[in-house]
Amino acid sequence: EDQVTQSPEALRLQEGESSSLNCSYTVSGLRGLFWYRQDPGKGPEFLFTLYSAGEEKEKERLKATLTKKESFLHITAPKPEDSATYLCAVHVSSNTGKLIFGQGTTLQVKP
Amino acid sequence: EAQVTQNPRYLITVTGKKLTVTCSQNMNHEYMSWYRQDPGLGLRQIYYSMNVEVTDKGDVPEGYKVSRKEKRNFPLILESPSPNQTSLYFCASSDPLAGGSYEQYFGPGTRLTVT
Repeated sequence: EDQVTQSPEALRLQEGESSSLNCSYTVSGLRGLFWYRQDPGKGPEFLFTLYSAGEEKEKERLKATLTKKESFLHITAPKPEDSATYLCAVHVSSNTGKLIFGQGTTLQVKP
Repeated sequence: EAQVTQNPRYLITVTGKKLTVTCSQNMNHEYMSWYRQDPGLGLRQIYYSMNVEVTDKGDVPEGYKVSRKEKRNFPLILESPSPNQTSLYFCASSDPLAGGSYEQYFGPGTRLTVT
């Protein structure tokens, strides 16, 4: 069964304290892995797409990486405005539009 | 402005009373999808549509119906809502043919309570 698991469920950081969020997946065939950011009371907002092992994408303080079994979202020197829930999702088949999301990691960055 | 709109944003209803949540996008996207979000369970896909008149089940389709008669609209229908369908619902769209990606734009959400 295709599965996506994110860890940790919650993460508290001090401003400037770098860390990483994990998204591990067991799927029959990865067609794409997506990272989203979700603020309270809002819909998720797209951050990155990764397609193959070894690929990396960066945006401001965020960097996403992909291996054959997992993806990491690295947050460098976070600021309080980076506080949000981060979701990863996988697209498992080129013949369907089926997407599987992880449960999310809620990040709180304290000043 | 590119956007996905959902209506209503909040809805309280009673068991068994049919309801429809509308979703509309103005980006000419081929792909649209509905999700529900519950604490501890994350986002789960209900139904998706690859194009007009083409719909398919996601992971949790039981108790829901959808239709895609026009490209821009993808309503979610609950013909006989039950309390276990109390949830936060999101509609999303993307254009996988433009670059082959499912980078989705999400609507603002509809909070549904079924009593």
